Amino acid sequence: SAVISQKPSRDICQRGTSLTIQCQVDSQVTMMFWYRQQPGQSLTLIATANQGSEATYESGFVIDKFPISRPNLTFSTLTVSNMSPEDSSIYLCSLQGNLGNTIYFGEGSWLTVV
Amino acid sequence: QKEVEQNSGPLSVPEGAIASLNCTYSDRVSQSFFWYRQYSGKSPELIMSIYSNGDKEDGRFTAQLNKASQYVSLLIRDSQPSDSATYLCAVNRDRGSTLGRLYFGRGTQLTVWP
Repeated sequence: SAVISQKPSRDICQRGTSLTIQCQVDSQVTMMFWYRQQPGQSLTLIATANQGSEATYESGFVIDKFPISRPNLTFSTLTVSNMSPEDSSIYLCSLQGNLGNTIYFGEGSWLTVV
Repeated sequence: QKEVEQNSGPLSVPEGAIASLNCTYSDRVSQSFFWYRQYSGKSPELIMSIYSNGDKEDGRFTAQLNKASQYVSLLIRDSQPSDSATYLCAVNRDRGSTLGRLYFGRGTQLTVWP
């Protein structure tokens, strides 16, 4: 299975600031996905990040709030902009395995906004 | 109507018993179904995937799918305390091959007591 590394693993952020989360994969993958898991909630898909094109955002998520970069096939970043306490969540990078039948998750980035 | 629904639990079973976790989904054309296990403070880990009606067994785990009833379940035989976790049901949200775009249920918390 692919190895997915996320940074930071945890952070406490001030209201109004922005934080960029990095996701590094040990193999080339076409599609990467960013999910959010708010406290006590399940996972919600934020966007799909494809290399060489703009990210595709799900309903309720916008590029100004969650800009995403995908400069190559092994790396992606998600920025959480102008954070508020409601953005306190786990942010998870995921990818589809090369066999196409498994979805892997990174270890997650646990953000607390104060 | 939520896309994926699970009994939130908590579900509590004694060690050695069978734990039964249930999930229903709303989109009749969903093709791919997944069960993830999430330990507290950890990211989700894929346990089972199932695509066809019927049962699929992997060790102590059996996934069951009934597309007519829009129902998927997970049975854990010989439950162990180490199985204590939140179990997330996920359904592919696309009719094509983009497996990474998943709807998740809110999860069922399972406790296996010795």
